[in-house]
Amino acid sequence: QVQLQESGPGLVKPSQTLSLTCTVSGASIASNNFYWSWIRQHPGRGLDWIGYMSYSGSTFYNPSLRSRATMSLDTSKNRFSLTLTSVTAADSAMYYCARVGIFTTSSVDYWGQGTLVTVSS
Amino acid sequence: DIQLTQSPSSLSASVGDRVTITCRTSQSVNNYLNWYQHRPGEAPKSLIFASSSLHSGVPSRFSGTRSGTDFTLTISSLQPEDFATYFCQQSYRTPHTFGQGTKVEIK
Repeated sequence: QVQLQESGPGLVKPSQTLSLTCTVSGASIASNNFYWSWIRQHPGRGLDWIGYMSYSGSTFYNPSLRSRATMSLDTSKNRFSLTLTSVTAADSAMYYCARVGIFTTSSVDYWGQGTLVTVSS
Repeated sequence: DIQLTQSPSSLSASVGDRVTITCRTSQSVNNYLNWYQHRPGEAPKSLIFASSSLHSGVPSRFSGTRSGTDFTLTISSLQPEDFATYFCQQSYRTPHTFGQGTKVEIK
């Protein structure tokens, strides 16, 4: 059974860098059949697509993040990460990691439970 | 960005009811339209990809259809575990945008 689990600091100060990690079990991230994705949800609002990354290293980010986001894969630990620089209160949200199937019209097939991030001094 | 408009934003229904949720895209996404279910405190669950294909393990009471840029999620007979918020998503062009959600509540 594929499972994804986010981990992160919970609280980040404005202007600092947010780092989140998603640990995957039940599947290898070293696969060309999937993308590894981050999605967030602001309180009381819909879902925002942050971006995704392939095993080959291709990355796609939401332009709205203005180049603040960087994703990476760690195949030795079967996990992937998101770094978001210069955070503001607008980055406070629930962050989800997800697996995206290349052969299922790039839809998400598995989601993590989410990790809540608050940006506050 | 491609905009997705879901309707209604919320609805009240009873167990056994047939429920229909619509998602309209601002431009063609071909069949690259997906549906997800989100219950509070849980991980979202993937229901449908490619507008009408069910993900593994999803009950057959869920179905999806497409008519041009209008997509529909139907639950044929609402079950207690179906009370949740439903989101559509287009994966045709990046950024892969989502609808604002439809909350299905108990009448």
